[in-house]
Amino acid sequence: DIVLTQSPALAVSLGQRATISCKTNQNVDYYGNSYMHWYQQKPGQQPKLLIYLASNLASGIPARFSGRGSGTDFTLTIDPVEADDTATYYCQQSRNLLTFGSGTKLEIK
Amino acid sequence: EVQLVESGEGLVQPGSSMKLSCVASGFTFSNYGMNWIRQAPKKGLEWIALIYYDSSSKYYADSVKGRFTISRDNSKNTLYLEMNSLRSEDTAMYYCAKYNNYGYFDYWGQGVMVTVSS
Repeated sequence: DIVLTQSPALAVSLGQRATISCKTNQNVDYYGNSYMHWYQQKPGQQPKLLIYLASNLASGIPARFSGRGSGTDFTLTIDPVEADDTATYYCQQSRNLLTFGSGTKLEIK
Repeated sequence: EVQLVESGEGLVQPGSSMKLSCVASGFTFSNYGMNWIRQAPKKGLEWIALIYYDSSSKYYADSVKGRFTISRDNSKNTLYLEMNSLRSEDTAMYYCAKYNNYGYFDYWGQGVMVTVSS
């Protein structure tokens, strides 16, 4: 199984940059695509797709969100952070079955 | 507008069975794979089952394999999850999610709560 590792929590000041990392124990690249995706889940809500295939912004997501990475190391960046970005962020791989990271809870100071 | 509406929420005893439904609208349901994903209280997301657009293939997480069955009725735009031999560790919010062929979930339902307790 592919295991995804995320830091449990991150605190960032309003207006600054938040960088959330996700590391996998196996390469999730395949034929030119990185099969890594990112979701935002606010308290009491269902998750929402932010980024697909490592760096593609999902429909309706503001350009403050971006993703990068390849192989086994990926990051989600929010710049600048807004108060409404308080949420838990999950990475998910689809290279081999489907698994999620444990989530990073973002606090805005 | 894509909508996914789950139903079947409830409290059941360990060892019993339960069936969840998810009605889809706003897209051509029969063209897309669908998934069930769950989230135990205060925990992270766990993918549990995938069904292809034509039911030709089904995949399950090890945690539910042999106990849960995913199915769909394309004539009714409805996805199902039949859960048998339920355990306390199956207590969770259950979400249905539309699947993109690159393996991500582009739309999610609001979820239904399943509680397994005596």
